[in-house]
Amino acid sequence: SQQGEEDPQALSIQEGENATMNCSYKTSINNLQWYRQNSGRGLVHLILIRSNEREKHSGRLRVTLDTSKKSSSLLITASRAADTASYFCATVRSSGSARQLTFGSGTQLTVLP
Amino acid sequence: GAVVSQHPSWVICKSGTSVKIECRSLDFQATTMFWYRQFPKQSLMLMATSNEGSKATYEQGVEKDKFLINHASLTLSTLTVTSAHPEDSSFYICSARADTDTQYFGPGTRLTVL
Repeated sequence: SQQGEEDPQALSIQEGENATMNCSYKTSINNLQWYRQNSGRGLVHLILIRSNEREKHSGRLRVTLDTSKKSSSLLITASRAADTASYFCATVRSSGSARQLTFGSGTQLTVLP
Repeated sequence: GAVVSQHPSWVICKSGTSVKIECRSLDFQATTMFWYRQFPKQSLMLMATSNEGSKATYEQGVEKDKFLINHASLTLSTLTVTSAHPEDSSFYICSARADTDTQYFGPGTRLTVL
């Protein structure tokens, strides 16, 4: 499966600042999802945005989707040290019944206290 | 939320031995489970899609005879790494699909082959 790209690969910010991560993908999608992974652990689902949606909010998270540019962004506002983790976007293709996830390359976020 | 467990969480084995990893959906039934592999500081790569009661569908480049998948019930899928070698050392993660769009991930299994 072809992976998407995420940038930046690594991001280091101070607590309280906002963190923005970007994701680009290659195929037509049904939806795009963002996941968080703490080091050596499994993935936690953060938010899902469908192809007909442009923006979605969940707590301190804001996700945008631009299907014309095949890109998405994840904004974490008022970051905390506990937000330190790797963040991955994952897409579900619009075709196919298996609803497989194709993951991006990930962004390592470090929030300094 | 739905919980997926994996067992063992880590395993060390000698080269040439086989290792079985279990993935269980604890509070929901999953007709489809997925197995991923993740190398250090890299993303997840889908290895195979496992459907209850039928053969798994493997991604291109994944050897089906080396990575045996069994999905015998709606709550259990197993991945067996046969004749493991050091290059099979990796982090293996499963997920279970509860509905059309939502996958719940297990905590992962760290495999080290000596």
